[in-house]
Amino acid sequence: AQSVAQPEDQVNVAEGNPLTVKCTYSVSGNPYLFWYVQYPNRGLQFLLKYITGDNLVKGSYGFEAEFNKSQTSFHLKKPSALVSDSALYFCAVRDRAGANNLFFGTGTRLTVIP
Amino acid sequence: GAVVSQHPSRVICKSGTSVKIECRSLDFQATTMFWYRQFPKQSLMLMATSNEGSKATYEQGVEKDKFLINHASLTLSTLTVTSAHPEDSSFYICSARFDRDQPQHFGDGTRLSIL
Repeated sequence: AQSVAQPEDQVNVAEGNPLTVKCTYSVSGNPYLFWYVQYPNRGLQFLLKYITGDNLVKGSYGFEAEFNKSQTSFHLKKPSALVSDSALYFCAVRDRAGANNLFFGTGTRLTVIP
Repeated sequence: GAVVSQHPSRVICKSGTSVKIECRSLDFQATTMFWYRQFPKQSLMLMATSNEGSKATYEQGVEKDKFLINHASLTLSTLTVTSAHPEDSSFYICSARFDRDQPQHFGDGTRLSIL
């Protein structure tokens, strides 16, 4: 079975401060991991992915995420938050050898306070 | 790159109407397309997966006769909500992928409102 947990429904951070959005996953095999961002009344925009290789993955708009196999985590981070980063963030996982589709977390709403 | 266009962005129609939503990959060939439904303040619920030229694979609990999916080419998939009723009102999002190792790219969604 595959699942994703985003333990925080809401994260608030001051502009200019570092931000972290948490994600833990469960798959039976090796994971493909993704982060997406959703703005109001829009689809999801791809931010970054981990397939293999370096555990630290860099993506769009200055975001990065670190794959931690022992903790089964893939937290999203950014060194300095912008007000325009305020949006809904989804973590997703797929078993590399398993199901064809992604399993999404329930989303974390990030609010960056000016 | 990797742009997915979804049309229309919003539909308001009467109960009993059938509604067709188009999903196009503009700059890549999508061997697989996915259709999701998203309820307010909730995550995405996968409805079905379609591969070009094949019948769609529906998730458990999704009525295939209600939600008709056609993936006739490598750049186009359509979702038709047949005889729509108010409970079908939702935000429908498509996504497309070139191959299994690539991320899914999403359309901007269609907000369907059935009166």
